[in-house]
Amino acid sequence: GQNIDQPTEMTATEGAIVQINCTYQTSGFNGLFWYQQHAGEAPTFLSYNVLDGLEEKGRFSSFLSRSKGYSYLLLKELQMKDSASYLCAVKGDTNAGKSTFGDGTTLTVKP
Amino acid sequence: DGGITQSPKYLFRKEGQNVTLSCEQNLNHDAMYWYRQDPGQGLRLIYYSQIVNDFQKGDIAEGYSVSREKKESFPLTVTSAQKNPTAFYLCASSILNREAFFGQGTRLTVV
Repeated sequence: GQNIDQPTEMTATEGAIVQINCTYQTSGFNGLFWYQQHAGEAPTFLSYNVLDGLEEKGRFSSFLSRSKGYSYLLLKELQMKDSASYLCAVKGDTNAGKSTFGDGTTLTVKP
Repeated sequence: DGGITQSPKYLFRKEGQNVTLSCEQNLNHDAMYWYRQDPGQGLRLIYYSQIVNDFQKGDIAEGYSVSREKKESFPLTVTSAQKNPTAFYLCASSILNREAFFGQGTRLTVV
């Protein structure tokens, strides 16, 4: 089966750096995605990792270790608008083409 | 502009009624998905389709039905067999094994 774990809530200060972790156990692996979801809105894509290592995109970076079943999303220079839920999703078996989502981490950025 | 459109944004259903949620995309994506999201939780897959005239059950398909007669359209019917249908429903599309693009969601309430 598929199992994805992320912390439920995190709080950080404006201007700081925060790291949101995600661990997964899936049958097969074809990529890990991070999405941002503001309250009441649809998720939007942030990053994609399929090989081990760090992917950087502006203030956001995502890391993957396939051997450890582990990823993190790093947010730098936090802004108030970064307050949102961050969803980790894994594509397992290639036959499915579908993603399994974690329950999300609600990040609150305080001034 | 390319995108994915869901309608309606809000929907009220009486107990015992079937309702159909619309999802249309003009991104030329082969894969389409329906997710359900309950408060404070992640996304759970209801149905997905990788190609026209073919679809598969996700993790929580009971009480739901879909069709995929056209590449652009993937409507979801919530039947009276779904005992707890009040939720936020999200439709998404993607190129296989890449990130999903989400519609703005339909919030369904049973009255």
